[in-house]
Amino acid sequence: NAGVMQNPRHLVRRRGQEARLRCSPMKGHSHVYWYRQLPEEGLKFMVYLQKENIIDESGMPKERFSAEFPKEGPSILRIQQVVRGDSAAYFCASSPRWADTQYFGPGTRLTVL
Amino acid sequence: DQQVKQNSPSLSVQEGRISILNCDYTNSMFDYFLWYKKYPAEGPTFLISISSIKDKNEDGRFTVFLNKSAKHLSLHIVPSQPGDSAVYFCAARQPGSYQLTFGKGTKLSVIP
Repeated sequence: NAGVMQNPRHLVRRRGQEARLRCSPMKGHSHVYWYRQLPEEGLKFMVYLQKENIIDESGMPKERFSAEFPKEGPSILRIQQVVRGDSAAYFCASSPRWADTQYFGPGTRLTVL
Repeated sequence: DQQVKQNSPSLSVQEGRISILNCDYTNSMFDYFLWYKKYPAEGPTFLISISSIKDKNEDGRFTVFLNKSAKHLSLHIVPSQPGDSAVYFCAARQPGSYQLTFGKGTKLSVIP
């Protein structure tokens, strides 16, 4: 039973480029959460999605960031026109039901040059 | 405003001894608490949790204690093993919520 999958594991972008981060939840899990960890900080909630729906994006920056979880395929976190401050580890988690224990993927480490 | 605080950035313990990791919270609405362990370049792994209706939960070598009046919880690892060396995150959740609020983590080093 595969765990939460994230790719790429490492992503390097230049300022102004776009970053796309992918997350495949555990089998049987339809709830996906994205968290961001800045250096020396704890994880901070960004967005919660179910299939085809954004339930809560209160932790997402208002501009340049978007997320989706289509009917088919992985959840995508998209960052447009990246800046150096976007450099962080982005973790995806999934759960079978909305308030269940969240299981995390290995993360994508984004570096903006 | 940091609602979940782990005031010790690091902790070193001898193999076989007890490791005690502490966590304080300020939001009295939190009713569910979790501990995650994280190795470098990996995601957090769920360890153990406790509901606010309990004051203790045990799973093998791991025990979590909750003191609601002090808004304090602790994770005890007995006996500590070198493989326990990792960063430990405390997280909390409000009733009916899915959002986890994390502390900054404590790096545990278990010395053989």
